[in-house]
Amino acid sequence: KQEVTQIPAALSVPEGENLVLNCSFTDSAIYNLQWFRQDPGKGLTSLLLIQSSQREQTSGRLNASLDKSSGRSTLYIAASQPGDSATYLCAVKPGGYNKLIFGAGTRLAVHP
Amino acid sequence: SQTIHQWPATLVQPVGSPLSLECTVEGTSNPNLYWYRQAAGRGLQLLFYSVGIGQISSEVPQNLSASRPQDRQFILSSKKLLLSDSGFYLCAWSFAADTQYFGPGTRLTVL
Repeated sequence: KQEVTQIPAALSVPEGENLVLNCSFTDSAIYNLQWFRQDPGKGLTSLLLIQSSQREQTSGRLNASLDKSSGRSTLYIAASQPGDSATYLCAVKPGGYNKLIFGAGTRLAVHP
Repeated sequence: SQTIHQWPATLVQPVGSPLSLECTVEGTSNPNLYWYRQAAGRGLQLLFYSVGIGQISSEVPQNLSASRPQDRQFILSSKKLLLSDSGFYLCAWSFAADTQYFGPGTRLTVL
C-alpha cells in the first residue's frame, strides 16, 4: 500500500530564506508526482508535476526534484516571501491507477 | 481556458439529512473527474472518480455515492448524513494521467 509522508509538518521562517520541503513515498512504482499549494479554506493549486522518468521540474522560484528509487521528492523554494505562506501538498500517482495519494502536507509561514 | 465550479461553497446540515454537492467543468470535453474529502488535520482522501458518463469508481466504502449524469457534471450525494461526513469536499478534473486541477471546495458541517 502506497503511503506518502511529508516532513516537516509545519515550518516558520523569516522572509528571504531558501526552503526545502520533503516528501517520501513507500512504493517506487509511481507514474508521476505532483506538488500542490493550498491556501486556508481554498482548493488546491498545482505547482509542479514530475513524470517518473524526470529528475526535476522548475517554475520560477520553485524547483522540485524526484528520486524514484529512494522514494523521495523535495520542493525547493528560493528567496521565500510572505505570499508563499500556505500548506504544500505532495501527491503521487501510482502506476496503473487513476488516482492521487496525498501526504498530509507542510504548513509554511513566512514572516516579514 | 478550463474552469471548475463547485456549489454550494458552505453547507451546514443536520445528521440524517440528505446531501447533494455539484461540480461542473467548463472548457473541456470528456475529462476524468474526481471527488476528494479533506477532514480536519488529515490529508486528502479520494472518494470517487469517473472516466466517463455513468462510469463511477468508488475508493472508500461509506454512505456516500457519486453520479455523472453529463460529461462535465459530477455529483456527490448521501441519503443520510453522519457526523463523520463533515469535511472539506474537493472536486478535480484531469486528462488521463495528466495534472489534476481542483475546484474551490465545499465546506460541509454536519451537526
